[in-house]
Formats: sequence, C-alpha cells, structure tokens
Amino acid sequence: ELKVEQNPLFLSMQEGKNYTIYCNYSTTSDRLYWYRQDPGKSLESLFVLLSNGAVKQEGRLMASLDTKARLSTLHITAAVHDLSATYFCAVGHWLSFGAGTTVTVRA
Amino acid sequence: DVKVTQSSRYLVKRTGEKVFLECVQDMDHENMFWYRQDPGLGLRLIYFSYDVKMKEKGDIPEGYSVSREKKERFSLILESASTNQTSMYLCASSGTSGYNEQFFGPGTRLTVL
Repeated sequence: ELKVEQNPLFLSMQEGKNYTIYCNYSTTSDRLYWYRQDPGKSLESLFVLLSNGAVKQEGRLMASLDTKARLSTLHITAAVHDLSATYFCAVGHWLSFGAGTTVTVRA
Repeated sequence: DVKVTQSSRYLVKRTGEKVFLECVQDMDHENMFWYRQDPGLGLRLIYFSYDVKMKEKGDIPEGYSVSREKKERFSLILESASTNQTSMYLCASSGTSGYNEQFFGPGTRLTVL
C-alpha cells in the first residue's frame, strides 16, 4: 500500500520569509502532484512532477521531485497572505494523498 | 477548462436514509473518482471508475456503492446513511493521456443526523 506523509501538518508563516513543505512516499512512483485547497473550496492543481530531478515554479512556489529519495518539496519564497491555504501532495497513478499541510501566513 | 460539477454543495440527511450524490464532468474523461475528506486524514478514495459500467473499490468502500451508466456521470450511493458518513465528498475526473492529473468538483458537505 502506498503511503504518503507530509510534514509539517500545520505551518504558521511570517510574511516575507521562506518555508518548505515535505512530502515523503513509501513506494516507487513516476509522478507526483501538488494541489492547493482554499477554505471551503475544492482542490486546485498546482504542479505535476513527472521525473527525477523535475523542478517546477509558479510565482512564489517551487516544487521539486527526488524519486530516489521518494521525496518532494514545495518551497515557498517570501510568503504572502494570499498563500494561506492547505497544500496536498498526491502520488501514483490513482493518486494517494497526504494529509495536507495547512498554511497560515501572518503579518 | 475542465468542469466537474456536483449536484449539491450542502446536504442534510437522516440516519438510515438512502443518499445519492451525483457528479458530472464535461471533458470526456475516462476516469472518475469519489473521495471523502475529513480533517487530519486528507482525501481517502472511496471508489473509482475507469470506464462506463466499470468500478473499482478504493481504500474505504464500506457503506458505499457507485454507478456509472454514462461516461460523463458518476454517482455515489449511501445505501443507509450513518452519522460516521458525515463528511465532505469530492468527485474528480481524469483522462488517460497527458499528465493524468485529476480535476476536482466543488464538493458536497453531507451531514447525517
């Protein structure tokens, strides 16, 4: 059974600082997804990572994948309030999800 | 844009009632999924379907059934609702080519009293 672990589960960020969310998974997978969920809303796709060493960036978010370490990171640069949300990673063909990281950005 | 719609945003039912949750996608996707989302547990897959009339159990199928009579529509059925089925239910769809990413509907918040 594919297990996906995210940490931290809760992250309080100060505006302007940098932070990283980690996603570990238990078995080999050739793809990893990051999603964002705003309170009361559905999930929105952020990144799809398809190969070892893949790096994708969108605005202040950058995601990377190390398939050998079974690890993906979501790096947040110079946090702003608009990034407050819950972030999920998901792995595998039928998508096993992590528990999510709830991010709150404070002034 | 892919659009996935769900029949209700909020639903309140009583214990023992039969509950139908409907999901429709407009992108001709082969795959459709039903998840439930509970705080601290992330999304857990209930059932998925990779073709019309085909279905596969996910991680937590007990107490649920599904129906897919048409490609664009995937229904989740709670045969006899129980209070522990109070949750947010999310439907998603994906194609078989490209990135295989799933596109999600807005969710149905079901409360069983």
